[in-house]
Amino acid sequence: AQSVAQPEDQVNVAEGNPLTVKCTYSVSGNPYLFWYVQYPNRGLQFLLKYITGDNLVKGSYGFEAEFNKSQTSFHLKKPSALVSDSALYFCAVRPRTGANNLFFGTGTRLTVIP
Amino acid sequence: KAGVTQTPRYLIKTRGQQVTLSCSPISGHRSVSWYQQTPGQGLQFLFEYFSETQRNKGNFPGRFSGRQFSNSRSEMNVSTLELGDSALYLCASSWDISYEQYFGPGTRLTVT
Repeated sequence: AQSVAQPEDQVNVAEGNPLTVKCTYSVSGNPYLFWYVQYPNRGLQFLLKYITGDNLVKGSYGFEAEFNKSQTSFHLKKPSALVSDSALYFCAVRPRTGANNLFFGTGTRLTVIP
Repeated sequence: KAGVTQTPRYLIKTRGQQVTLSCSPISGHRSVSWYQQTPGQGLQFLFEYFSETQRNKGNFPGRFSGRQFSNSRSEMNVSTLELGDSALYLCASSWDISYEQYFGPGTRLTVT
């Protein structure tokens, strides 16, 4: 069965420190990979995506993500966390063929401590 | 460019009733997807439409249905509402599958 795992429900990081939010997936082929962020009482906002090419992709608000094919991972990173980065982060995967709806991990709540 | 809009934003219904939610995608987007978000189950895919055709369907009972119109606007319908249908229903639009989806603010449905 296809799945997306975000192993940490909660990540706490001090302001100014680097942050990592982990995502691994089990999907056949080479899926499209996405990160989204959700602020309280808001819809999801797109951060970045990996389609093909360079394994390090850069996105909005200073976020980047590293694709690792051998580990089937797509970890979200930021060199220096801001308090305003505190939110719920979702990794999402979309197969390129077949039943190719976008499906989401369970989410990781990031708290940046001042 | 206007974002994805969903109406209504909040809805309170009684068990057994039915409800219709509406979504207007970003202009030019042909793909519309619907998701159910609950604290316990997270984000679950309901269905996706592309150019008026249902392209993918999630694992939800037949009480959940949807459609897409020629102008790409979409509606979803839930019949015979149950308490467990209380959730935030999110609509998202995109150009196509390799493109990111843009989400609306959601419709908060409460079933009493």
